[in-house]
Amino acid sequence: DAGVIQSPRHEVTEMGQEVTLRCKPISGHNSLFWYRQTMMRGLELLIYFNNNVPIDDSGMPEDRFSAKMPNASFSTLKIQPSEPRDSAVYFCASSLPLSGELFFGEGSRLTVL
Amino acid sequence: AQSVAQPEDQVNVAEGNPLTVKCTYSVSGNPYLFWYVQYPNRGLQFLLKYITGDNLVKGSYGFEAEFNKSQTSFHLKKPSALVSDSALYFCAVRDILTGGGNKLTFGTGTQLKVEL
Repeated sequence: DAGVIQSPRHEVTEMGQEVTLRCKPISGHNSLFWYRQTMMRGLELLIYFNNNVPIDDSGMPEDRFSAKMPNASFSTLKIQPSEPRDSAVYFCASSLPLSGELFFGEGSRLTVL
Repeated sequence: AQSVAQPEDQVNVAEGNPLTVKCTYSVSGNPYLFWYVQYPNRGLQFLLKYITGDNLVKGSYGFEAEFNKSQTSFHLKKPSALVSDSALYFCAVRDILTGGGNKLTFGTGTQLKVEL
């Protein structure tokens, strides 16, 4: 299995631009998580999907952030408009339900200038 | 809400010596606890978990963790550290969500540095 696949690995953009991060979970996993990691705030859960349905989006910072999971093999996290404080590493992870064993992608490092 | 605390930002140990990375938890009900490791520029990797049963849990790469209910702790241990163990270690606790599924709440992480 290829594991959780995220793209792009690195993104540098200017303030105000739209950013779209992509994730392909492990086949057969029906739970998907988006996390954000920064030095200041550590690892934060942004949103969680179960069977393609958003279950908990309480961690999404504000309306500029949105996430979708149109099918079991693809999810996106969009930031529009982006701001310098959004600079972070964004991780996607997937798991079997109630497993607790999350499989993380390699992350997308976002820099907003 | 469930939470975990990692009191040490960094732990330094000499190669060959035993290592301990500390974690304490605060949960309602039975705790479901996890350890993950993150190498530089990589995603987190699962090491081990405690659900129920033996208080000493064995995991990947020779790591083990000791669950202590009276002290509400779940410390990560290894009898003999390797330089290659140097990484960022996260303790986590599982929350069961209404609506299905679960989520993990992670601690702040402890940087382990193993020196020759």
